[in-house]
Order: sequence, then structure tokens, then C-alpha cells
Amino acid sequence: GESVGLHLPTLSVQEGDNSIINCAYSNSASDYFIWYKQESGKGPQFIIDIRSNMDKRQGQRVTVLLNKTVKHLSLQIAATQPGDSAVYFCAENSAGNQFYFGTGTSLTVIP
Amino acid sequence: ETGVTQTPRHLVMGMTNKKSLKCEQHLGHNAMYWYKQSAKKPLELMFVYSLEERVENNSVPSRFSPECPNSSHLFLHLHTLQPEDSALYLCASSQEQGAFYNSPLHFGNGTRLTVT
Repeated sequence: GESVGLHLPTLSVQEGDNSIINCAYSNSASDYFIWYKQESGKGPQFIIDIRSNMDKRQGQRVTVLLNKTVKHLSLQIAATQPGDSAVYFCAENSAGNQFYFGTGTSLTVIP
Repeated sequence: ETGVTQTPRHLVMGMTNKKSLKCEQHLGHNAMYWYKQSAKKPLELMFVYSLEERVENNSVPSRFSPECPNSSHLFLHLHTLQPEDSALYLCASSQEQGAFYNSPLHFGNGTRLTVT
């Protein structure tokens, strides 16, 4: 089966600092990746996605990096704010198969 | 405000009860999903509907019964559940073009189900 995991279950950062959340995947055929943010009491919220023909994609204050060689995905959040506190998890799939999700990293922003 | 709304937000039911979860998407999408989210576990896919037809049943026990009357509404009928079925049940939708699972899922805020 698929294996999607995160290196660290929790991350604490100072407000204004940059955050980096990592995700490892095991299926070398995976070609589509998504980062989600889940706040307490809410459902997962789409942040940014990337396909395997790209190495980097930027959004508003967020950047996703994909390293296919080591099967690693990261989410960078610039100038982290208290509102960024949430659980972040990655999802991946390959060739029209179902998405597989990680268990999540809990990000806490210290004011 | 989410484009996918789920009701109720919280549900407590006994093992002999019958209840239903409701999901409505306002995004004009053509696919809808039920996921189960348990503590410290990855999201588990339960059912997938595309254009109101079930295209995937991920080995879910028969005590869970989905229904998709149209492309905007999705139900999950529950009966004789077990305490281990307590979880957050998430509905999602997506706009599939060509290949499936080729676009992001948009989730509702879920129904927190407790089975006593």
C-alpha cells in the first residue's frame, strides 16, 4: 500500500518566522500532491498543489517544493502568523488512483 | 464559508439507532466523497460518487450506506454502528475532468459522530 508520512508530528515557531513542514512519500509513481490545512473543529482546507512535472510552486506566503529523487515534499510558510496554527497534512496520488493522506503535523505559532 | 456544508455538526447515537449524515456542495462539482477521520490516523476513503453513480466502495461495512440523489447532495445512512465507528466524517467534492482524482478535494467541516 501507499505510505505518506511526516517527519515531525509537532512544530512550534515564533510569529514572523518562516515555517517548514515536511512530508515523505513512498510511491515513486506519485504525480500529484496537495497540502491541506485543518484548523480545530473544521475540515481540511486546500492550500496549494503541485504536479510531478514541477519542482516548486508558490502561492500567497506559501511555497511547495517537490524532490522526486528522494520522494520528499515540503511546505514553506513565510512570516508565520497566529492564524497559521493548525494541522497540516499532505496528500498524494498517482495516475488516477485515490489520494493517500499523511497523518499531519501540528503547527503552533508563538506570539 | 465553505462551499461544502455538512449537517449535523455533532451526532451522538446508540448502537441500535438509525441516523443519516447530509452533505451539500455549492461548487458545481461532479464528484462527491465520504471520508472517515479518526484520531492520529490518515483520512480513510469510504465512498466515491461521480455524476451520481457510485464508482468506489472502499471495503466499508454494510452498516454504512451512501446515497447520492443528485450531483449536489450526498447522504451517509448509519445503522447498528459500533463504538469504534466514532470519528469525524468528512464529505468532499471535486471537479473531475478526464482522469479521476486529478483535481483537489474540497472538504466540508465534517460531522463528529459518537457511538455509545
